[in-house]
Amino acid sequence: DTGVSQDPRHKITKRGQNVTFRCDPISEHNRLYWYRQTLGQGPEFLTYFQNEAQLEKSRLLSDRFSAERPKGSFSTLEIQRTEQGDSAMYLCAIGGGGTEAFFGQGTRLTVV
Amino acid sequence: GENVEQHPSTLSVQEGDSAVIKCTYSDSASNYFPWYKQELGKRPQLIIDIRSNVGEKKDQRIAVTLNKTAKHFSLHITETQPEDSAVYFCAASSTDSWGKLQFGAGTQVVVTP
Repeated sequence: DTGVSQDPRHKITKRGQNVTFRCDPISEHNRLYWYRQTLGQGPEFLTYFQNEAQLEKSRLLSDRFSAERPKGSFSTLEIQRTEQGDSAMYLCAIGGGGTEAFFGQGTRLTVV
Repeated sequence: GENVEQHPSTLSVQEGDSAVIKCTYSDSASNYFPWYKQELGKRPQLIIDIRSNVGEKKDQRIAVTLNKTAKHFSLHITETQPEDSAVYFCAASSTDSWGKLQFGAGTQVVVTP
């Protein structure tokens, strides 16, 4: 069964706090992507993992952002010292590379 | 890098009419073009995709056309129904760029009964 679980679904945090999101593919997939989607826009690419290797990072991913995929299965995305501009939906996707990229339900982050 | 432009940004159609959304891309290396439908508060879901070796693909009421020379592709929805109301995104990717998707800005489609 193809699916991606993301946790939490919603996160409200105060500016300056650190937050961590988790992405759990239901089945094994080599390719894992993180995207960010702000209101009224399409998803924007953040970073890509092939197994446990992080092979590309977007310029959108400032030094405050870090992502890991330690065992090539689940992945985490951490944002340090959050800013109001970080408020967005963070989407994880598996597959891709010329086939369907299957998106999780996303984590909606609100920085107050 | 790749740049995808999508038009129109909003589209209102009467139920039963057709809807057409157009996208252009800039990177000639792009070879995979999916279309996603996103309902409010939900994840983007793939509705149809096309690869660069194909000019047209149909799936029931949905079709996509690709013109590689002009670098544009279009989504056609026929016999629209109220449940087709959503935001539609086009995207492009190439195997040269790890398959990451570059999305258009989206089209809000409203189908009125």
